[in-house]
Amino acid sequence: DAGVIQSPRHEVTEMGQEVTLRCKPISGHDYLFWYRQTMMRGLELLIYFNNNVPIDDSGMPEDRFSAKMPNASFSTLKIQPSEPRDSAVYFCASSPTWDRGGEETQYFGPGTRLLVL
Amino acid sequence: KQEVTQIPAALSVPEGENLVLNCSFTDSAIYNLQWFRQDPGKGLTSLLLIQSSQREQTSGRLNASLDKSSGRSTLYIAASQPGDSATYLCAVNDDYKLSFGAGTTVTVRA
Repeated sequence: DAGVIQSPRHEVTEMGQEVTLRCKPISGHDYLFWYRQTMMRGLELLIYFNNNVPIDDSGMPEDRFSAKMPNASFSTLKIQPSEPRDSAVYFCASSPTWDRGGEETQYFGPGTRLLVL
Repeated sequence: KQEVTQIPAALSVPEGENLVLNCSFTDSAIYNLQWFRQDPGKGLTSLLLIQSSQREQTSGRLNASLDKSSGRSTLYIAASQPGDSATYLCAVNDDYKLSFGAGTTVTVRA
């Protein structure tokens, strides 16, 4: 398997523009997670899906952020309008299962480095 | 809210030396703890996962211990190699979410 695939790998945009980040999870994985990593706040969970349904979006910073998973092999994270403080590395991860006491880990993609000017 | 702290933030050692990385967390009601490795420009790779009922896990040169009651975990890397240079993050699983530490950046000098 190719692992979790994210595109684009780098994105530079201007403040106010719409940004769409894409993720293809590992085939057969029922859970998909979106994270954001910054120097100031470290790695934070934004939202996660189970079987294409959003389960917890409490980490989404504000209404400018939205995430969708139209099918089991594709998810998007959209920022509209973008602001300079959204500059970060955004990671997508997937997992075959996910429960509190489970043995399973999360498999991370390479990330999208976003710079908003 | 769970707070995860990793000390030191950076570490530089000569090749062959053993590495000791520390992780502490504020709420001991965790389900498991994981150690991840992050290479520059890449995603995270899971190294070891310790269940809350376990005291340690080993994989090759890596050994991770967990003292849940005191809120601490330690990652030991024996006989370090230049290829071990990376950032190591610990993450605790409490209530379906992973809370990450800021990481320890390790440089192994040849």
